[in-house]
Amino acid sequence: AQTVTQSQPEMSVQEAETVTLSCTYDTSENNYYLFWYKQPPSRQMILVIRQEAYKQQNATENRFSVNFQKAAKSFSLKISDSQLGDTAMYFCAFGEYNNDMRFGAGTRLTVKP
Amino acid sequence: SQTIHQWPATLVQPVGSPLSLECTVEGTSNPNLYWYRQAAGRGLQLLFYSVGIGQISSEVPQNLSASRPQDRQFILSSKKLLLSDSGFYLCAWLGFAYNEQFFGPGTRLTVL
Repeated sequence: AQTVTQSQPEMSVQEAETVTLSCTYDTSENNYYLFWYKQPPSRQMILVIRQEAYKQQNATENRFSVNFQKAAKSFSLKISDSQLGDTAMYFCAFGEYNNDMRFGAGTRLTVKP
Repeated sequence: SQTIHQWPATLVQPVGSPLSLECTVEGTSNPNLYWYRQAAGRGLQLLFYSVGIGQISSEVPQNLSASRPQDRQFILSSKKLLLSDSGFYLCAWLGFAYNEQFFGPGTRLTVL
């Protein structure tokens, strides 16, 4: 079964600085998807960024980017120019086509003013 | 555009009472639907998923059940709640383009 590991339960960063959240996963599949979700205090789950495993180019969404290392099964999230509104739980997730998704335990990120 | 609704938003129930949480999706047809539970400060635990009307798969055996009476309606139920059923319940549907899941606003359940 696929597993997703987030080894950093909590992290903090100063406003305007850059922070990287780590995620590793385990799978024997070659085609799959990876995601980062954000859960702010409202607890609404918001999709931040996605990566298709067949794409070598790292996905980027404004201040959010990923470092996808397929051979190492690593999928880290970099947040640049951190803002107070980035304070949230961040979940890494793994999914196969038309199949259910597996989530990591989450990393609680606090952006300090 | 697609939207997903959950109600109620908050619920406080005594131990032993029944439960019914509802999830509905608009703007899509025949979606895969999911129920998750999230304990305080924890990750998401998949409870049930459904690929169509009347089709339910259970991930974790417990005193909860799920039903899908209509294409875009997914219901989470219990006949008798336990204290351990307290948590935040999220419903999600599976997008067609990139396999991502889209979540509803959630229901906060407290069992006393």
